[in-house]
Amino acid sequence: GDSVTQMEGPVTLSEEAFLTINCTYTATGYPSLFWYVQYPGEGLQLLLKATKADDKGSNKGFEATYRKETTSFHLEKGSVQVSDSAVYFCALSDRGGGRRALTFGSGTRLQVQP
Amino acid sequence: KAGVTQTPRYLIKTRGQQVTLSCSPISGHRSVSWYQQTPGQGLQFLFEYFSETQRNKGNFPGRFSGRQFSNSRSEMNVSTLELGDSALYLCASSLVGQGGSGANVLTFGAGSRLTVL
Repeated sequence: GDSVTQMEGPVTLSEEAFLTINCTYTATGYPSLFWYVQYPGEGLQLLLKATKADDKGSNKGFEATYRKETTSFHLEKGSVQVSDSAVYFCALSDRGGGRRALTFGSGTRLQVQP
Repeated sequence: KAGVTQTPRYLIKTRGQQVTLSCSPISGHRSVSWYQQTPGQGLQFLFEYFSETQRNKGNFPGRFSGRQFSNSRSEMNVSTLELGDSALYLCASSLVGQGGSGANVLTFGAGSRLTVL
């Protein structure tokens, strides 16, 4: 079945450092890929998405490129802020058969220190 | 535009009891999905409803059930609660048509945190 693997956290960075959170996936079809973010005490918010190979999703300075050849969707940001501290989830949606369930990775906690 | 509203936000139950959680989707969204989030298992899909019909179901026992009303509001019920049911239950809605494929953009609520003692 489908699966998503994320790097384990926590990831601790200083403000203005470069961020990479690795995400790889296994899927039988041609999934859409997502990054969601969860701030303390809140639900998940969509950060960015990509629906086909080589698509780049971007939002709020975060970027991720859908790499079919390496089955990856790594999240990057050039300069993190303290306000970026949260848990980040990589997810995929199998588009085959109209399924709408998301398969999530285990989440990566990011802590940004001033 | 109001977001996805879940009630109650927090609740405490004892083993053997049952619980009902409510979710009001974004206006116009007809699909509602439920997820369970625990530290050990992460985020796991429970079920999805569209136009009052369960369209997809995850790998959970029959103690977990749900329904959707004509106004797209949804409820999920857990009967005979076990300690392991303690979790954050997240509801998400999406604006999709019936059938077909495509990117599944979900908007999540803040969740209902259930503690089973």
